[in-house]
Amino acid sequence: AQSVTQPDIHITVSEGASLELRCNYSYGATPYLFWYVQSPGQGLQLLLKYFSGDTLVQGIKGFEAEFKRSQSSFNLRKPSVHWSDAAEYFCAVDPYSSASKIIFGSGTRLSIRP
Amino acid sequence: GAGVSQSPRYKVAKRGQDVALRCDPISGHVSLFWYQQALGQGPEFLTYFQNEAQLDKSGLPSDRFFAERPEGSVSTLKIQRTQQEDSAVYLCASSLESVRAQETQYFGPGTRLLVL
Repeated sequence: AQSVTQPDIHITVSEGASLELRCNYSYGATPYLFWYVQSPGQGLQLLLKYFSGDTLVQGIKGFEAEFKRSQSSFNLRKPSVHWSDAAEYFCAVDPYSSASKIIFGSGTRLSIRP
Repeated sequence: GAGVSQSPRYKVAKRGQDVALRCDPISGHVSLFWYQQALGQGPEFLTYFQNEAQLDKSGLPSDRFFAERPEGSVSTLKIQRTQQEDSAVYLCASSLESVRAQETQYFGPGTRLLVL
């Protein structure tokens, strides 16, 4: 079945440590790919997106993601996390590159250890 | 400028009651989307408008759910005869254009609906 999978429900990292959040998708063609962040009481905010071209995408707040076609993955990374990065992170795809709907993963909750 | 706003932010309804949730998109945005986010889950697509036309309502879970955008700006999501399983956060998003998939969807803060 077509899906977006975020295998890690909850991750805790120490402040200043590096971070990688995993995302895999199972759509036939290469969809448009997104990472969103949701802080408590806040709306979803787009961190970055991939449509084509360079497979390493830079986003806001120091985040980056790498698209790997062979692995159907789009993992999110940050070299050094800050306490303010604690939030819920969602990987998402536009499977038909249609701009009409986005399919979200179930999310990864990130906690930061002081 | 102002972002996407939604009202009310919180709604408690008794089972069987009708509710109406409002979304004010960013001014000038052509596309408007509704999503439902259950507790501990990612948002799930409900429906999509391009101006006043509802182009996709494939995600609406039942005929108790109805959305409209009569003048191509403000949208209302109506849920009739609410059930406990309707409890969720309802998110609205808008984007500037409809023909370019690269357009970013901007999300509102959501309306948290609790059906007792």
